[in-house]
Amino acid sequence: EVQLVQSGAEVKKPGESLKISCKASGYSFSTYWIVWVRQMPGKGLEWMGIIYPGDSDTKYSPSFQGHVTISADKSINTAYLQWSSLEASDTAMYYCAAERLQGGFDIWGQGTLVSVS
Amino acid sequence: QSVLTQPPSVSAAPGQKVTISCSGSSSNIGNNYVSWYQHLPGTAPKLLIYENNERPSGIPDRFSGSKSGTSATLGITGLQTGDEADYYCGTWDSGLSVGVFGGGTKLTVL
Repeated sequence: EVQLVQSGAEVKKPGESLKISCKASGYSFSTYWIVWVRQMPGKGLEWMGIIYPGDSDTKYSPSFQGHVTISADKSINTAYLQWSSLEASDTAMYYCAAERLQGGFDIWGQGTLVSVS
Repeated sequence: QSVLTQPPSVSAAPGQKVTISCSGSSSNIGNNYVSWYQHLPGTAPKLLIYENNERPSGIPDRFSGSKSGTSATLGITGLQTGDEADYYCGTWDSGLSVGVFGGGTKLTVL
């Protein structure tokens, strides 16, 4: 089955670090971009950044550059989103998605809820 | 505030047709493919349209997409109560070198 499975919900304190994961199966992980998307409570979708697992080429939205790090380990078909110092404003649902269709993210993870307080 | 502008809400009766607009600029919609997503509460977003007007496998032809200049439109015909959701347009912005989503449109099926 083609799917992205994300790690479970997290409850953290401000200043703590965190790394959440997105594991792919059923397709060629290395050859399709993976995007991370944030949805804050009651708000819309925000494009955070994107990584090409094949060579780890990464692009960040200016809104998130410097605050998060996106990485991937193609040996275990997993992408990551990490923070070195969480803030209360990082409280949100985070989705990963794969761009297997031109300009379209056709596979989505189930989301990881991050609560910081 | 998103660089892609969508109406906050639209509504229509069951069985009717609705359109959702997405307005951008030459740096995004004008020169890149547009995609559309349906987001139901508590679920992951679902891709409805890619490459401006293509439907992924399994998406019914009640959903359609179009693009003209710096604007794109999602059309939904034969509205069903199950279509009530938030809808987002998305594209690449060549000027910012980032992907962007619209602010989202809440569809109510009256």
